[in-house]
Amino acid sequence: DAGVIQSPRHEVTEMGQEVTLRCKPISGHNSLFWYRQTMMRGLELLIYFNNNVPIDDSGMPEDRFSAKMPNASFSTLKIQPSEPRDSAVYFCASSLEVGAGLYEQYFGPGTRLTVT
Amino acid sequence: EDKVVQSPLSLVVHEGDTVTLNCSYEVTNFRSLLWYKQEKKAPTFLFMLTSSGIEKKSGRLSSILDKKELFSILNITATQTGDSAVYLCAVVLGDDKIIFGKGTRLHILP
Repeated sequence: DAGVIQSPRHEVTEMGQEVTLRCKPISGHNSLFWYRQTMMRGLELLIYFNNNVPIDDSGMPEDRFSAKMPNASFSTLKIQPSEPRDSAVYFCASSLEVGAGLYEQYFGPGTRLTVT
Repeated sequence: EDKVVQSPLSLVVHEGDTVTLNCSYEVTNFRSLLWYKQEKKAPTFLFMLTSSGIEKKSGRLSSILDKKELFSILNITATQTGDSAVYLCAVVLGDDKIIFGKGTRLHILP
């Protein structure tokens, strides 16, 4: 299995631009998580999906952030418009099931976003 | 406010030493506690703890949870340079929310 796949691996963009991060979870996993990691705030859960349905988006910082999961094998995290404070590493993780105590999440390699 | 606090923030030891990393939490609806190791890239899963007093062990790593005193420790014995990483503790709440600590940065000197 290729593991969780994220793209792009690095992105540098100018303030005000739209940014779209992509994630392909491990095949067969039914839960998907988006995280953001910065030195100041550590690793923060932004949103997670179970069976393609967003369960909790309370970690999404503001309306500029949105996430979708149109099918079991693909999810996007979009920032529009981007701001310099959005600069961080964004991780996607997937796991087999949420709610049954099985939380062995597999993380993707992350997308390093820099907004200038 | 739910929070997870890890200590120390940073630790430098010599190869062969034993280290103990701490994770304390204050949350409203605890379900489980997770430990991750993060090297240069993404975190990798180490342990999930749900019951007090039951040690989880994997090679030189072990972890235990104390739900009365609200903390967990991660022990690494006979440390090796490959153990150098950031170790993250996370608490899963009853509503499936996950809160991570800031991590302990461990550096093993050869």
